Amino acid sequence: DIQMTQSPSTLSASVGDRVTISCRASQSISSWLAWYQQKPGKAPQLLIYTASSLHSGVPSRFSGSGSGTDFTLTISSLQPDDFATYYCQQYHFYPYTFGQGTKLEIK
Amino acid sequence: QVQLQESGPGLVKPSETLSLTCTVSGGSISTYYWNWIRQSPGKGLEWIGYINYNENTNYNPSLKSRVTISIDTSKNQFSLKLSSVTAADTAAYYCARAGTVGGTAFDSWGQGPLVTVSS
Repeated sequence: DIQMTQSPSTLSASVGDRVTISCRASQSISSWLAWYQQKPGKAPQLLIYTASSLHSGVPSRFSGSGSGTDFTLTISSLQPDDFATYYCQQYHFYPYTFGQGTKLEIK
Repeated sequence: QVQLQESGPGLVKPSETLSLTCTVSGGSISTYYWNWIRQSPGKGLEWIGYINYNENTNYNPSLKSRVTISIDTSKNQFSLKLSSVTAADTAAYYCARAGTVGGTAFDSWGQGPLVTVSS
């Protein structure tokens, strides 16, 4: 299975900050990577697909980059609604696999 | 706007079969890929498998021997059966759609009810 490793596991930040979350795949997945946001008690929601494409309705302060094995999710200016847990997921190889998550907390 | 809704028992006894159904509204099930994903505190998010309208399936090898996913296009539903469950199968079970954008990212999800395995 492809291992997806996110860093950091927890991130403390303030409203207005620019934050970056990293995701590394154990082998190349080209650009077949998605990012999701999950809030407590809710289902994950798609933010980014094919590494850098913004899903419909997602604010433009979210962006994704990378290819191969190293990927990044950036939030340009944190808003109160952005404090949540973020997951990366590869869909190049079966079985599809997720990272362990990055919890974004209010500083 | 497509909506997905899981239904089924919230409590299953060890060694029995977990059964869940996902009802799709606001769109046809006769296209795309229809997935089951679970989330437990111990193992995070885990993809279980998918089915498409042609009844082609793909399962996670870690669960393949115990999983069956089926589809009923006349009811716009698809279902999950997981046999011989243990406490390790306690999780929130999500149904999700894939295939509308950029390959098979999961663009729509159900609410993900918690299913507990306990006697």
